[in-house]
Amino acid sequence: DIQMTQSPSSLSASVGDRVTITCRASRNIDNYLSWYQQRPGKAPKFLIYGASNLQSGVPSRFSGSGSGTDFTLTISSLQPEDFATYYCQQTYSDTRNFGQGTKLEIK
Amino acid sequence: QVQLVESGGGLVKPGGSLRLSCSASGFTFSDFYMNWIRQAPGKGLERISYISDRSTYTKYADSVKGRFTISRDNANNSVYLQMNSLSADDTAVYYCARTGLGSSFDYWGQGTLVTVSS
Repeated sequence: DIQMTQSPSSLSASVGDRVTITCRASRNIDNYLSWYQQRPGKAPKFLIYGASNLQSGVPSRFSGSGSGTDFTLTISSLQPEDFATYYCQQTYSDTRNFGQGTKLEIK
Repeated sequence: QVQLVESGGGLVKPGGSLRLSCSASGFTFSDFYMNWIRQAPGKGLERISYISDRSTYTKYADSVKGRFTISRDNANNSVYLQMNSLSADDTAVYYCARTGLGSSFDYWGQGTLVTVSS
């Protein structure tokens, strides 16, 4: 099985900050990596696929990069609605498992 | 627009059964694989099952294998999850989601809460 590990597990930041979340796969997954945002009490929202492709309607302040085993999600200028938990997911193998999540909190 | 609406959650005793439903609209349901994902209280996301577009393929996480059964009815744009032999470890919000862009889960329902408790 491919293990997905996110870091940090939690992060405090302020509105306007640039933040980066990292996701590491236990083995090569090429660019088969997706990102999701989950606000409290809500269903996850699909943000990025193929490591760097934004879903339609996702603000351009979100970006993704990486290939192989190391990936990042960057939010260029945090907005109040961005404070949420973010999950990466590998779409390389059938298990489609997620990272453990990164909680982004207001400083 | 794409909509997924889950139903069927509730309180069930250990050892009991429950059947979840997910009703889809806004897209050609029979063209897409569908998934069930769960989230235990305060925990992360776990994809527990999927079913192919024509029901040819199904797969289950080890945590539910042999107890849960996924099925779909393309005529009624619905996917189901039959859950048997439930335990407290199955307490979670259950989401259905569509497999779409980049094999990601591009649309999710609002979730339905399953609580297993005596």
